[in-house]
Formats: sequence, C-alpha cells, structure tokens
Amino acid sequence: AQTVTQSQPEMSVQEAETVTLSCTYDTSESDYYLFWYKQPPSRQMILVIRQEAYKQQNATENRFSVNFQKAAKSFSLKISDSQLGDAAMYFCAYNRGSTLGRLYFGRGTQLTVWP
Amino acid sequence: KAGVTQTPRYLIKTRGQQVTLSCSPISGHRSVSWYQQTPGQGLQFLFEYFSETQRNKGNFPGRFSGRQFSNSRSEMNVSTLELGDSALYLCASAREGRGRDTQYFGPGTRLTVL
Repeated sequence: AQTVTQSQPEMSVQEAETVTLSCTYDTSESDYYLFWYKQPPSRQMILVIRQEAYKQQNATENRFSVNFQKAAKSFSLKISDSQLGDAAMYFCAYNRGSTLGRLYFGRGTQLTVWP
Repeated sequence: KAGVTQTPRYLIKTRGQQVTLSCSPISGHRSVSWYQQTPGQGLQFLFEYFSETQRNKGNFPGRFSGRQFSNSRSEMNVSTLELGDSALYLCASAREGRGRDTQYFGPGTRLTVL
C-alpha cells in the first residue's frame, strides 16, 4: 500500500525567510506523481506544485520548489521569501500514474509565518 | 474557467438522518473524486466517478454512496448518520481521473452530526 509521511506536524518561519517541509513516501511503482497542496483556514485545498516521477528535474513554481529524491523516496517543498499568506496546512500527496487517480495524503504540516 | 463548486457549504444533521452533498466539477472534467477529512484520520478517499460509473472505491461502509450525472456533476449520500461522520467532505475534479491528472478541489462541505 502506498503511504505518505510528513514528519513535521508544525513548522514556523519568519517573513521573507526560507522554509523546507519534508515528505517521504513508500511505493513499489515506477510511474507516479507527487503533489503539494495548501489548505488555508478557508479549507479550500489549493495545488501548489506537481512533480512527475519520470522527470529528474525538480519542479518550480515561483517561490515554491521541490527537492525530489527518487531513490530516497523523498519529496520536500521549499518556500522562499515566505509571505504571511503562505500560512496554511500543507499536504504532500501521491498518485499512481498507471491506474485510476486516487490521491494518498500525508497528515499535513501546519506552517506559521511570523511577521 | 469556474472552479469546483460544492453545495451546501455547511450542514447540521442528527444521528440516523441521511444527507446528500453535491459537487459540480470544472467544465470539461469528467472525473469526480470524494474525500473525507477529519482531525483523527486525516484525508481519506471515498470514491471516484467517471462517465456516470464508479471506478474506484475506498474503505468506507455501504452507508456512503454516490452517483454521477451525464453532465459530470456528482452527489454523495450518507445514510443513517453517525457522530463519527462529522467531517469536511471534499470533492475534486480531474480531466480523466488518471494518475497523471491533477485533481482540483472544491471548498468542501462541513457536515456536523449531533
């Protein structure tokens, strides 16, 4: 079974600083996709970034980037120049590529941003 | 393009009642998935529909059911509500629902069972 582990229940960062959220996953598949979603207090789940397992290049979206280590089954999210609006619960998620889409989520990391 | 919409946003029910939640996917998306989010269990997959057919199902009792209409809108039904069914129910839509497809979420329906 696929499992996704986020070992940091809570993290905090000063505004304008950089923070890294950790995620590891367990799978025997070779074709899969990884995602980071953000859930602010409004509870709307928002896609932050996506990574295809077959791509060696780490995905980047503006201030958000990932460090994808396939052999180590690690997928961390780096937020640069943190802003107050980045405060939210962040979920790491896994989806098998070969079959029907079904996201497996970690338990989340609550990020606090201090002014 | 309009996002995923869910109605109602909030519901309060009592034990033993049943409830129906609705989800309208992004235009052009044919796959709709449902997830339950609770503090204790986190985010859990309920089921996924594509072209009016349930293709995938999570480990939930038969009290949880759903359906999808020809316009891809989906409904989820929970019968004989229990206190433990109190949760945020999230709907997500995707183009084809394959693993490579990104799922986009609605704002959720907050269900409280008294």
